[in-house]
Amino acid sequence: EAQVTQNPRYLITVTGKKLTVTCSQNMNHEYMSWYRQDPGLGLRQIYYSMNVEVTDKGDVPEGYKVSRKEKRNFPLILESPSPNQTSLYFCASSQTSGAAYEQYFGPGTRLTVT
Amino acid sequence: AQTVTQSQPEMSVQEAETVTLSCTYDTSENNYYLFWYKQPPSRQMILVIRQEAYKQQNATENRFPVNFQKAAKSFSLKISDSQLGDTAMYFCAFLGLISNFGNEKLTFGTGTRLTIIP
Repeated sequence: EAQVTQNPRYLITVTGKKLTVTCSQNMNHEYMSWYRQDPGLGLRQIYYSMNVEVTDKGDVPEGYKVSRKEKRNFPLILESPSPNQTSLYFCASSQTSGAAYEQYFGPGTRLTVT
Repeated sequence: AQTVTQSQPEMSVQEAETVTLSCTYDTSENNYYLFWYKQPPSRQMILVIRQEAYKQQNATENRFPVNFQKAAKSFSLKISDSQLGDTAMYFCAFLGLISNFGNEKLTFGTGTRLTIIP
C-alpha cells in the first residue's frame, strides 16, 4: 500500500529536550515536505526537499532541522523544543513530474512541549 | 506571495442538503493548481479535488463539483446530498508552478469547519 508514515503519532516532551519525528514514504517520491498546522493558521511549510541531499527552508523554519540522506526518509529534528512548537505536524511527499502535483500526507504527529 | 482566504470559519447544514464552501486566492501567476483537502476528526489530510488553472472546465468528483472562476480568483466547493461522513475541516490550497522555483509548497487557507447535522 502506497503511504507516508510518521512516528511517533503523539509526543509530549519538555522544553529543551531534543527530539526527532520520523517520516518515511514507500512511493519512490523525489519531493518531501514538512508542515505544521495551528488553529486559525492552516498548514504552513517548515522545510522541504527536492531530492536526496537537497533541502531548503519553507515559511517557518526557525527551531527545526531536517536531513535527507535517503530518498524514502525525511526526519524532522527539534534540537531544543519550546512551547511555541506545540503543534500538529504533517509530512508530505509527491512525485515531481507527471502526477499533477498530488501530495500524499502522513497521518500527523501531535506534539506538545511543556 | 500567494494568499488563500477562506472566509467561513464554520458552517453547518442538515443531512442531505447542499452546502458551498468558499475560497479566494491572490496570485500573479497564470499557471497553477488549486486543491480542496478534507480533514476529518482522524486528522488525516484527504485530497477531495484538484483543479488545473489552465483548464477552463470545472473539475468534478462525484458529489463534489467546484466552481472555478479564474478571473475572479475564486474556487468554491459544492457538496451535494451531504452525509454525516462529510463532517470535517476543509482546506483550500494553492500551488504555484513558477514563483516557488520547484518547491511544491501548498499555500493553505485557514479552513472551514463543516458540521453535518443528522
